[in-house]
Amino acid sequence: EAGVTQFPSHSVIEKGQTVTLRCDPISGHDNLYWYRRVMGKEIKFLLHFVKESKQDESGMPNNRFLAERTGGTYSTLKVQPAELEDSGVYFCASSHRQGGRETQYFGPGTRLLVL
Amino acid sequence: AQKVTQAQTEISVVEKEDVTLDCVYETRDTTYYLFWYKQPPSGELVFLIRRNSFDEQNEISGRYSWNFQKSTSSFNFTITASQVVDSAVYFCALSEARAGNNRKLIWGLGTSLAVNP
Repeated sequence: EAGVTQFPSHSVIEKGQTVTLRCDPISGHDNLYWYRRVMGKEIKFLLHFVKESKQDESGMPNNRFLAERTGGTYSTLKVQPAELEDSGVYFCASSHRQGGRETQYFGPGTRLLVL
Repeated sequence: AQKVTQAQTEISVVEKEDVTLDCVYETRDTTYYLFWYKQPPSGELVFLIRRNSFDEQNEISGRYSWNFQKSTSSFNFTITASQVVDSAVYFCALSEARAGNNRKLIWGLGTSLAVNP
């Protein structure tokens, strides 16, 4: 079974440009999460989808970030326009909840550097 | 508020030594889950274990063992007879387990373990 995949693995852009990150969850997983790790800080939650619906986007830093999950399959996270402080590693995770129990499985992350 | 503290930033050991990674958590929830993830140099986050707050039994998986103590709000991870391949950053994380949809993870800063030959 394929794991969570993320594309691209690395992205270097200039301040003001737009970048779109993609996440393909494990097949059959309804839950999809985005997290971000800024250098030197802890990994932080950004938002959570159940199928195509946003359940919680309380961790999104500001309105420059837009996440979608059309059709409840893959998800995209767009940053427009990118700022220097957006640099970090963006992780995606997916999960299937069974009997109240849930484990999130992560992709390899996208390393974003904004210059 | 929920919080996870991993006080050890970096640990360096020699191969075959035992090493314990500490994790202390804070939560007002009575029901919650605790996790350990491993991040090898390649960068992905690899799931190691999930523990329910109602289950305080220690767990052993090969050279790995976990000690969950609710009285001290700790969930420590021990690697016995460490190997070079254990070198990685290890993260402890917490999520609530109440009914509802969001099980977002609250993370510690991670402990970087270097196992030297």
